[in-house]
Amino acid sequence: GQNIDQPTEMTATEGAIVQINCTYQTSGFNGLFWYQQHAGEAPTFLSYNVLDGLEEKGRFSSFLSRSKGYSYLLLKELQMKDSASYLCAVKDSNYQLIWGAGTKLIIKP
Amino acid sequence: IAGITQAPTSQILAAGRRMTLRCTQDMRHNAMYWYRQDLGLGLRLIHYSNTAGTTGKGEVPDGYSVSRANTDDFPLTLASAVPSQTSVYFCASSEQGADTGELFFGEGSRLTVL
Repeated sequence: GQNIDQPTEMTATEGAIVQINCTYQTSGFNGLFWYQQHAGEAPTFLSYNVLDGLEEKGRFSSFLSRSKGYSYLLLKELQMKDSASYLCAVKDSNYQLIWGAGTKLIIKP
Repeated sequence: IAGITQAPTSQILAAGRRMTLRCTQDMRHNAMYWYRQDLGLGLRLIHYSNTAGTTGKGEVPDGYSVSRANTDDFPLTLASAVPSQTSVYFCASSEQGADTGELFFGEGSRLTVL
């Protein structure tokens, strides 16, 4: 079966750095997405990785290792507004998205 | 800038009733999707449409139907609602063939079936 694993919840301090991991087992791979979802709101696109390596976008970076079936989202200089759920999703061989359950990130002052 | 509009935003429904969730996009995306999101579970695909006039079943299609008469509209119908269909429903669209094919989501429809 297809599976996306990410931690259920993480806590970090304002101003610090946090890394949210995502491991996947899917039938084929055509890209990995990270989305941010604030409570009660719709998911919004953060990043997309299709090749191995690090993609940096401001305070957020996303890393991919296809051989290990592994990705992480790195958030730097955490702000209170970063408190949200972070969803990892993989596009499989049929170009369908398989979603993880999401990681709830709690930022403390 | 509208993007994707869903209606209603919230609804309480008696079991056995018929309900249609509406979804309209103004981005002219070819693909549209309906997901449900339940606590502790990832987004689960109900139905999708790769282009106007075609639809396909997702991971959890039972009890739901869709239609795609044109590019902009993609309504989701519950023929006879059951309590297990209590969930938050998200409509999304994407431009297949684009660099990332990222999904754009509507604000969601919170449905409670009693």
